[in-house]
Amino acid sequence: DAGVTQSPTHLIKTRGQQVTLRCSPKSGHDTVSWYQQALGQGPQFIFQYYEEEERQRGNFPDRFSGHQFPNYSSELNVNALLLGDSALYLCASSPNTGSLNTEAFFGQGTRLTVV
Amino acid sequence: GQQVMQIPQYQHVQEGEDFTTYCNSSTTLSNIQWYKQRPGGHPVFLIQLVKSGEVKKQKRLTFQFGEAKKNSSLHITATQTTDVGTYFCAGTDSSYKLIFGSGTRLLVRP
Repeated sequence: DAGVTQSPTHLIKTRGQQVTLRCSPKSGHDTVSWYQQALGQGPQFIFQYYEEEERQRGNFPDRFSGHQFPNYSSELNVNALLLGDSALYLCASSPNTGSLNTEAFFGQGTRLTVV
Repeated sequence: GQQVMQIPQYQHVQEGEDFTTYCNSSTTLSNIQWYKQRPGGHPVFLIQLVKSGEVKKQKRLTFQFGEAKKNSSLHITATQTTDVGTYFCAGTDSSYKLIFGSGTRLLVRP
């Protein structure tokens, strides 16, 4: 049973460019959340997708957008990249059990470097 | 907005010593979760606490949720080198937004 898979694992982009990161959730999970983790910090919640819609959003600008597909996989898009967007981007999946939060399974992350 | 603070930032212990990390929220939490992240790795779920005053144990790890549901702690008895990593608490108030603390990095001297 594959866990949460993310691609690519590493990425280098130039300031001002756009990037798309991808995530496939754990089998049986229908909820996907995205996090940004700067070096030495805890993960920061970007947004959560359920039933192909953004269910909750953190304090991130509109440059950060996402999408969830019918097979529950998800994409994170970041436009007009800034140097400060350099971070580890984590995807986490969980089953929708009706409660506010359940155990989240994290992928290995995508290390984004903006130069 | 909701903030989750964690102390200490770092702890360096001799193998066999105990370790405790503390987590405090600015708002009442509906539940709290704990994760461990090894160097270069991703967060791995350890446990979730839901009830006021709840205490749960996993072998050498003891987790507590405060009576007011605003603080939590993780205690490791007799640390081992395999315990090395950063421990994060993460809580939510009344939304789907999971707020992580800044983490406590544990280093263990063999």
